[in-house]
Amino acid sequence: SQTIHQWPATLVQPVGSPLSLECTVEGTSNPNLYWYRQAAGRGLQLLFYSVGIGQISSEVPQNLSASRPQDRQFILSSKKLLLSDSGFYLCAWNKAFSYNEQFFGPGTRLTVL
Amino acid sequence: KQEVTQIPAALSVPEGENLVLNCSFTDSAIYNLQWFRQDPGKGLTSLLLIQSSQREQTSGRLNASLDKSSGRSTLYIAASQPGDSATYLCAVHSGAGSYQLTFGKGTKLSVIP
Repeated sequence: SQTIHQWPATLVQPVGSPLSLECTVEGTSNPNLYWYRQAAGRGLQLLFYSVGIGQISSEVPQNLSASRPQDRQFILSSKKLLLSDSGFYLCAWNKAFSYNEQFFGPGTRLTVL
Repeated sequence: KQEVTQIPAALSVPEGENLVLNCSFTDSAIYNLQWFRQDPGKGLTSLLLIQSSQREQTSGRLNASLDKSSGRSTLYIAASQPGDSATYLCAVHSGAGSYQLTFGKGTKLSVIP
């Protein structure tokens, strides 16, 4: 069976500090991978998706970047955090080359102070 | 641009009651629709996926229907239990080369013992 992990679970960072959130998927190969952000009262917003190693698509312009250094690893980064980067970050996956069912990880709660 | 609306934003029912959660979307050209459950501070759990060619899907006490032409989906929960208390989200996938899921803001369900 497939499992998706995210870490850290919670993070408190000062404004201007760097960020690295990691997501890994087990039990599948070449998945589509996604980063979403859930802000209070605003619903889930897709930030990035990847259909393969080194292939990243951005849905919204922002202070964040993503990378996929390995098949089942997806990383969300920032060089300098802003207050507006606070939120709940969720990683998700689904089968390669499909629009089918997406499965989500446990999330990372990021607070920027 | 696809927009997804879920009404009501919050719902409180006594234990044992059958209930219906509503989801509407503005563009009927969807590939599929997915219902999720989110417990406080947790990730999303996929409940049901309905393909655009299907009218309904069932899993245990849950039944989701889809009326693509009218841009509506409902999630029916039979014999509600306190453990059903959570936020329920619907999301639509428009396909056509886009990997983006468009989410509603959710309905927060409270089942009172």
